[in-house]
Amino acid sequence: GIQVEQSPPDLILQEGANSTLRCNFSDSVNNLQWFHQNPWGQLINLFYIPSGTKQNGRLSATTVATERYSLLYISSSQTTDSGVYFCAGGLTGGGNKLTFGTGTQLKVEL
Amino acid sequence: DVKVTQSSRYLVKRTGEKVFLECVQDMDHENMFWYRQDPGLGLRLIYFSYDVKMKEKGDIPEGYSVSREKKERFSLILESASTNQTSMYLCASSAEGQGGPYEQYFGPGTRLTVT
Repeated sequence: GIQVEQSPPDLILQEGANSTLRCNFSDSVNNLQWFHQNPWGQLINLFYIPSGTKQNGRLSATTVATERYSLLYISSSQTTDSGVYFCAGGLTGGGNKLTFGTGTQLKVEL
Repeated sequence: DVKVTQSSRYLVKRTGEKVFLECVQDMDHENMFWYRQDPGLGLRLIYFSYDVKMKEKGDIPEGYSVSREKKERFSLILESASTNQTSMYLCASSAEGQGGPYEQYFGPGTRLTVT
């Protein structure tokens, strides 16, 4: 099956700093999502981005499908950005299953 | 907005008990999923269902079964709970069909402790 590698595993930022999280896939995917897990465990959908670039406020994401990676950019980080960020990918059809990476634990400090 | 609900946020059960975790979605999604999340391992797929009464094993189905009698409801069953099934359990749903998008939406999770 598809292997998903996320980097870095841990990240500590000062409030206001920018960061880039990366997700590499062992094989081609056409179904790709980024999630943020808040301290209460809820997974919040950030981006559905099988290809191209999307932006939502201070967050943006880029997927280069031909090179099997995706990037999540966080600008002007805030303490509320803290939590775990997951990427997940797979192939559409047959239930649209996703394989998850092990996450990036982000802590934003004042 | 898509809403996925799970029957309990926290659950404590004894070894050997039969445990039912319930998940309900309100968006008429064809696909539903059960994952478990453990520290350092990310989310791992236990079972998924692509239609009523249809199910397929995920990556770690051992010790679990599922039931989907209605489109909106997907149940995870631990036939005889064991301590190594202590974990966070997350349910998700997604649409099927041509064109997408095929986003998965998650419930709030059930933190199960087996003692």
